[in-house]
Amino acid sequence: EAGVVQSPRYKIIEKKQPVAFWCNPISGHNTLYWYLQNLGQGPELLIRYENEEAVDDSQLPKDRFSAERLKGVDSTLKIQPAELGDSAVYLCASSQLAGVGDEQFFGPGTRLTVL
Amino acid sequence: LAKTTQPVSMDSYEGQEVNITCSHNNIATNDYITWYQQFPSQGPRFIIQGYKTKVTNEVASLFIPADRKSSTLSLPRVSLSDTAVYYCLVGPHRGGATNKLIFGTGTLLAVQP
Repeated sequence: EAGVVQSPRYKIIEKKQPVAFWCNPISGHNTLYWYLQNLGQGPELLIRYENEEAVDDSQLPKDRFSAERLKGVDSTLKIQPAELGDSAVYLCASSQLAGVGDEQFFGPGTRLTVL
Repeated sequence: LAKTTQPVSMDSYEGQEVNITCSHNNIATNDYITWYQQFPSQGPRFIIQGYKTKVTNEVASLFIPADRKSSTLSLPRVSLSDTAVYYCLVGPHRGGATNKLIFGTGTLLAVQP
């Protein structure tokens, strides 16, 4: 069975440009997470979806970040405009149910570099 | 969500047993303890989960004392490939109240030959 798929793996853009990341979760997983990970730090939750609904987006900087999960499957995370401080790895994960105790399956991440 | 505290880093040699302790003094009754492993350029991977006493799988053991205010991840006979960052998470299982998922900075385990 395929794991969580993310694309692109790497992205280099200039500041003020828009960028989008795509995630395809494991089939049948209702919960999808987007995390941001800075070098030397653990993943930080940006948003969590249960099916199509964003149930926790309190950490998402809504002035420049947006996310969607149409039809409750694939998801896209967008940044517009990107800033230098957005350089990080963006991880997508999915799980069958929601909860810290539910096993999350992570994708390889997208490494974003903003110049 | 219970806050966790782990050592920033640990060193070991191949073949040794490694024990990584996580403190979670404010753990709630319905919280579980979950450990993840992360290699460079990869997302975290689930290792083991427990609620109390001892849990063992093919990769590791998890020891949880009766008061559940701490837990210890035990890796038997580590190899170079066990060099990674290990995260301890504490929170409700299968839903419950919405909580932030906090990985913290984790413990960087460096295994030497």
